[in-house]
Amino acid sequence: GAVVSQHPSWVICKSGTSVKIECRSLDFQATTMFWYRQFPKQSLMLMATSNEGSKATYEQGVEKDKFLINHASLTLSTLTVTSAHPEDSSFYICSAGSRTGSPDTQYFGPGTRLTVL
Amino acid sequence: EDQVTQSPEALRLQEGESSSLNCSYTVSGLRGLFWYRQDPGKGPEFLFTLYSAGEEKEKERLKATLTKKESFLHITAPKPEDSATYLCAGRVGSGNTGKLIFGQGTTLQVKP
Repeated sequence: GAVVSQHPSWVICKSGTSVKIECRSLDFQATTMFWYRQFPKQSLMLMATSNEGSKATYEQGVEKDKFLINHASLTLSTLTVTSAHPEDSSFYICSAGSRTGSPDTQYFGPGTRLTVL
Repeated sequence: EDQVTQSPEALRLQEGESSSLNCSYTVSGLRGLFWYRQDPGKGPEFLFTLYSAGEEKEKERLKATLTKKESFLHITAPKPEDSATYLCAGRVGSGNTGKLIFGQGTTLQVKP
């Protein structure tokens, strides 16, 4: 099946610093990637939809200036959390849909655990 | 407002004790109902996609079914390794650009 990787798998940073998370589709091309956030014992909340070569579409309530998304190629999307604060600590997960559409699903990365001190 | 609701929130079963997980949805223009399995600290793993009422799909001890308002994930004779959180999601928009609306999940624990 299709594989999506994320890097890093976990990161600890100080309040006020910026953190970049990478999402790669390893064996397929993804025109669209999605970024989710998951708090402990809660479900996945979509933050933004990332399209290759264009600006990301953010969900209501998600600050686009704080969560910068870049989808530079068909296999790479990045999420940068700018000026991170403790309340940004969460599990961030990306997903991608295969261009071939078979099977029809989104493939998820393993997630990145962000802890802001 | 589009919404997906799962029940129960948590389920404890003995090994071999079959049961069902429920996913109710109100998603206008639903373009697929998805089931995923998520283990602690990991990303969701794809299980099934269902498209129309009456459709059923099976994989090992799991069978997913779909009606016009609900989906069920039936687990037959579960084993401890089936313990995980099961997520369902409705898709808004078609194809690989459609976004998923997730339910809150059902955490399943299967005891030996």
